[in-house]
Amino acid sequence: DAGVTQSPTHLIKTRGQHVTLRCSPISGHKSVSWYQQVLGQGPQFIFQYYEKEERGRGNFPDRFSARQFPNYSSELNVNALLLGDSALYLCASSIQPGQTNEKLFFGSGTQLSVL
Amino acid sequence: SQKIEQNSEALNIQEGKTATLTCNYTNYSPAYLQWYRQDPGRGPVFLLLIRENEKEKRKERLKVTFDTTLKQSLFHITASQPADSATYLCALAPGSARQLTFGSGTQLTVLP
Repeated sequence: DAGVTQSPTHLIKTRGQHVTLRCSPISGHKSVSWYQQVLGQGPQFIFQYYEKEERGRGNFPDRFSARQFPNYSSELNVNALLLGDSALYLCASSIQPGQTNEKLFFGSGTQLSVL
Repeated sequence: SQKIEQNSEALNIQEGKTATLTCNYTNYSPAYLQWYRQDPGRGPVFLLLIRENEKEKRKERLKVTFDTTLKQSLFHITASQPADSATYLCALAPGSARQLTFGSGTQLTVLP
């Protein structure tokens, strides 16, 4: 079975541009979460979606948005890019959020560089 | 404020020894705590989950303890190998939260 797939793997943008990152969860998983990981830090929660609805939002500005599609894949959009948005963006899938044994399966991430 | 702290950013040990990594948290009441392994350029990989009513969990050479009084989890790798070299992340979820919160990780290097 395929794991969590993310595209693209690397991306270079300039300040002020917009970016869309994509994620396909493991087959059968209905929940997708997005995390931002800055070099040397742990992943920081951005969004969680379940059954196409937003179930959680981290402390990120409104420039960050996401959505989940009927096939459970997801997109993360970031507008008006800043230098500080440079990071590894991780997508994780799980069967259902909020379960006591929930564990996350991560993709390899999209490395975003903002110049 | 809520905080998760993992001991020292980097830990070097000799092959064959036991590595012990620490995760301390404040102002959380987690229902469970998880440990992940992350290799450079890759996403974290789930290793172990321990619930608040469990004191210890084992999986092969890995052992995790969870002390809710001390607000601390210890992660042990016995008979360490160079292939165990990676960054190890602890993550916890309060009972009502819908997302995991991660520590900053400890980079472990096992020297041959």
